[in-house]
Amino acid sequence: DAKTTQPPSMDCAEGRAANLPCNHSTISGNEYVYWYRQIHSQGPQYIIHGLKNNETNEMASLIITEDRKSSTLILPHATLRDTAVYYCIVRTYNFNKFYFGSGTKLNVKP
Amino acid sequence: GAGVSQSPRYKVAKRGQDVALRCDPISGHVSLFWYQQALGQGPEFLTYFQNEAQLDKSGLPSDRFFAERPEGSVSTLKIQRTQQEDSAVYLCASSSLAGAGTDTQYFGPGTRLTVL
Repeated sequence: DAKTTQPPSMDCAEGRAANLPCNHSTISGNEYVYWYRQIHSQGPQYIIHGLKNNETNEMASLIITEDRKSSTLILPHATLRDTAVYYCIVRTYNFNKFYFGSGTKLNVKP
Repeated sequence: GAGVSQSPRYKVAKRGQDVALRCDPISGHVSLFWYQQALGQGPEFLTYFQNEAQLDKSGLPSDRFFAERPEGSVSTLKIQRTQQEDSAVYLCASSSLAGAGTDTQYFGPGTRLTVL
């Protein structure tokens, strides 16, 4: 699986959009980008995934660059409950396991 | 239940003891995964089941680690002769599809194992 690079931490003001970047420059054509988050002492929670088109659901939006070498997870109106570690994962279609990496610690501040 | 459950939530073992960690996946989910998460790190893959078949155990760190899913539902991760380096959170996840594709993995709350 392709590896990902994320900043170790980010701050965001409550009510503002949180934009979390992820680099995956070695991604292959059949690899999907997944985002999970982990709130303290809980298991990882699925957020969103995509292949090449931008995706949006009730939690977030995923913007994937045209060359697919990077992506951005957008939380449109961050709340204090969005404080968590966010993991960007690249997953090969025919492999089940996820490689999580170290993630980005998002601190949402009042 | 609505989600993946794990028991116990916390386990303290003396070095050398054997432990067994249980995972109850979402009902009907075909695939089941175990991950190990050390303090301050992301989860790391241990093993994967499709129904009762263990198709990938490449992440198990030693032969002291053993996992089973005999009836294709509940799974147990067993660690023999525990060592201090086994201290971690053990996460279980399940997904509805067999094989890969884009099926989502749903995680349980984890079992925090502390080896003294």
